Amino acid sequence: DIQMTQSPSSLSASVGDRVTITCRASQNINIYLGWFQQKPGKAPKSLIYDASNLQSGVPSKFSGGGSGTYFTLTISSLQTEDFATYYCLQYQDYPFTFGQGTKLEIK
Amino acid sequence: EVQLVESGGGLVQPGGSLRLSCATSGFIFSDHYMDWVRQPPGKGLEWVARSRNRRNGYITAYAASVEGRFTISRDESKNSLYLQMNNLKTEDTAVYYCVRGYNSFNPWGQGTMVTVSP
Repeated sequence: DIQMTQSPSSLSASVGDRVTITCRASQNINIYLGWFQQKPGKAPKSLIYDASNLQSGVPSKFSGGGSGTYFTLTISSLQTEDFATYYCLQYQDYPFTFGQGTKLEIK
Repeated sequence: EVQLVESGGGLVQPGGSLRLSCATSGFIFSDHYMDWVRQPPGKGLEWVARSRNRRNGYITAYAASVEGRFTISRDESKNSLYLQMNNLKTEDTAVYYCVRGYNSFNPWGQGTMVTVSP
């Protein structure tokens, strides 16, 4: 199975900050990676697909990059509604695998 | 508007069975890949199963942890996705989400809770 390693596992930041979360794959997954946001008690929401494509309706302050084994999710100008848990997902090969999550908290 | 609404969760004893349903609307169901993803209480996300679309023969795939026990299926006449879960184990306790999409995994349903406990 392809292992997805997210870092950091938790992150404290302030409103207005710019933050970057990374995801490393244990083998080449080309661009077959998505990013998801989940708030407590809610279903996950897709932000990015195919590594860098912004999902319709998602603000442009979210951006994704990378290919192969190294990927990033950058959130610019943090607002209170952005504090949540973020997951990456590889869909290059079965079984699809998620990163362990990054909890973004208010400093 | 695209909507996915799961149902069928509940409390079941180990070794029991349960069938989850996902009613869809707002899109051409047969055109889309569909997945089930689960999340144990307080933990991360785990992909469970996929059903490809009609064009790709509705081919299915499963996580190793559920292979042979769970079956994903569709009823095109009802625009519904199902997950038949047999021989349930305590470690299957989770919120189960149905998700649309080949690569976009969008949107997600609200989830249905499955609790496996003696």
